[in-house]
Amino acid sequence: EVHLVDSGGDLVPPGESLRLSCAASGFTFSSYAMSWVRQAPGGGLEWVSAISGSGDNTYYADSVKGRFTISRDNTKKTLYLQMSSLRAEDTAVYYCAKDARLGPSSYFDSWGQGSLVAVSS
Amino acid sequence: DIVMTQSPDSLAVSLGERATINCKSSQSVLYSSNNKNYLAWYQQKPGQAPKLLIYWASTRESGVPDRFSGSGSGTDFTLTISSLQAEDAAIYYCQQYYTTPPYTFGQGTKLEIK
Repeated sequence: EVHLVDSGGDLVPPGESLRLSCAASGFTFSSYAMSWVRQAPGGGLEWVSAISGSGDNTYYADSVKGRFTISRDNTKKTLYLQMSSLRAEDTAVYYCAKDARLGPSSYFDSWGQGSLVAVSS
Repeated sequence: DIVMTQSPDSLAVSLGERATINCKSSQSVLYSSNNKNYLAWYQQKPGQAPKLLIYWASTRESGVPDRFSGSGSGTDFTLTISSLQAEDAAIYYCQQYYTTPPYTFGQGTKLEIK
């Protein structure tokens, strides 16, 4: 059974940095692209970033490009999101999500439980 | 980026009745080479992560009750719940995966029991 566990969320002041983690189990982690999707309080879902199974290809939403970095450690079966220069509008629950398909362009068949990031002074 | 627009934003339906949610994309998500629509539907209940219901616009995920169905092609799609149950109260989102990222979601439709 696929299991994704998000962690690392916290309350941080604007301008600071934070790293989220997503521990994966139950599937061949290195074969699947992974994404981060966030949800602001009372808001909808916003795709943030994605990374290929090998880690060679990364993608970002314009809203976080240049500030967030996605990475993965396939030996540890863990996905990361390094967030810097955090803004109040980055406040959200951050979910890691697993691609359902191999290769590019996929929907998400498994999600973590979410990790709350609150940016406030 | 492809913009996804859902309608209505919210609806209230009686138990046992049909619920219909629409999703429109700003450009076609039908890939001509394989004739597949790159459109998924998710259900999210309060305090929970989203759950995949439908992919390829009309393929039900394993374990999803058959009262849930998806239809449509190109730019216009519909999620139908044929006979509403109490546990179906949730927010529903469509998502396009036609583009290698960025992926985009609709704004969500809140379904309540009347």
